[in-house]
Parts: sequence; structure tokens; C-alpha cells
Amino acid sequence: GAVVSQHPSRVICKSGTSVKIECRSLDFQATTMFWYRQFPKKSLMLMATSNEGSKATYEQGVEKDKFLINHASLTLSTLTVTSAHPEDSSFYICSARGQLAGGPYTDTQYFGPGTRLTVL
Amino acid sequence: QQQVKQSPQSLIVQKGGISIINCAYENTAFDYFPWYQQFPGKGPALLIAIRPDVSEKKEGRFTISFNKSAKQFSLHIMDSQPGDSATYFCAASMIETSGSRLTFGEGTQLTVNP
Repeated sequence: GAVVSQHPSRVICKSGTSVKIECRSLDFQATTMFWYRQFPKKSLMLMATSNEGSKATYEQGVEKDKFLINHASLTLSTLTVTSAHPEDSSFYICSARGQLAGGPYTDTQYFGPGTRLTVL
Repeated sequence: QQQVKQSPQSLIVQKGGISIINCAYENTAFDYFPWYQQFPGKGPALLIAIRPDVSEKKEGRFTISFNKSAKQFSLHIMDSQPGDSATYFCAASMIETSGSRLTFGEGTQLTVNP
């Protein structure tokens, strides 16, 4: 199956700093990537959808200037949390869909392992 | 219209028993219904998915039952094992019109006792 990785898995930063999270598709071309946020014991909340080479589409209530998303290639998307504050502490998860290596295009979303962000 | 309601919130089952998790949706335009399994501190992993043109899909110990008229679908885990203890999320999307944008249920925390 398709593999999606995230880096880092955990990050602790000081309030006011910016943090970048990478999401990579390892064995397929991710034409679309999604970024989610998840609070403890809660469901996944979609933050934004990005198509390769295009600007991300943000969900209502998500500040696009605070959560910068770049999807410059078919295998990499980044989420940058700018001027992070303690309330941004959360579990951030990316997912991707696209064309499997040597295989068909798939509508299935494959999720990364998540990044735990803690802002002090 | 976009909501997916999931129940129960938590479920405790004995080893070897059947775990049943239910979901209901409102939007009849949904055409793809996946179930995801998530362990603590990990990302969700696709378990099984179904399209509305079939009423049941089975993969190993996992079965999705789909009732289009009732707008409900459920996950059955047969011969539940302690290793199945995790949080399960149902989801729905409109493949053709929303580009796989998933709407998730609230999640069910399953505990399988040995």
C-alpha cells in the first residue's frame, strides 16, 4: 500500500516561533494532500486541501496566514505554523491521494503518522 | 447535511466477541464510505471501504454493512482481539464532486479485554 511519512514526529517550540512540518508520499504521486488537526480523544478536523502546484484551500475558521501550506511537488507538502502559541499545540496529520507507483489513480486517502506539536 | 454521526462513543468487548460500530449520514450525495483505525499517537490507517452499490463488504475479520435506504453503515469486527483495541472512525465523501474530502464521524474507542 501507499506510504506517507511525516517529519518531525514530535516538536516542542517556544511561543512566537515558527514550526515546519513535512509530509511526504513515498511510493506514489500525491496530486492532493490534506492537513488535519486532532485534539485528544477527538475526531480529525480538516484544516486545508492542497493540490500540487496550486494554492491550498482552507476550511472555514482556519487562518491561512498562520498555517502556511506549500505543495510544490508530487511527493512533498509542508505545513508551517507561524508565530506559534500554546493554543496551537495539537496533533497534526497529513494525508495524500494520487497515483500509485506503477498502478492506477486512487481516491483513497493515505494518512501519515502524525506530528505532535507542543508550544511552550 | 455534511455530518456523519457515529455510535457508540466507547465499546468494551471480550476477546472472541463481535464488535459493532454504527454510523449514519444525511447527505445522499456521499458515495464512498471508509473506516479507519487509529492507535494512540499514530495516524489513521484505512481498514476497509465500501461504495453504495453494494450492501456488504468483507475483508478478513472486518465487514462493512451498508443500508442505503436508511443512510446507515456499520463495521463488524468478528473474533475481536486485544490487538484490535484502538479508536475507529467512519467517514464519508463525495468522490466525484469533492475530491475525496472526508467527513469523519466522532470516533469509537474500542477496548477488547483478554
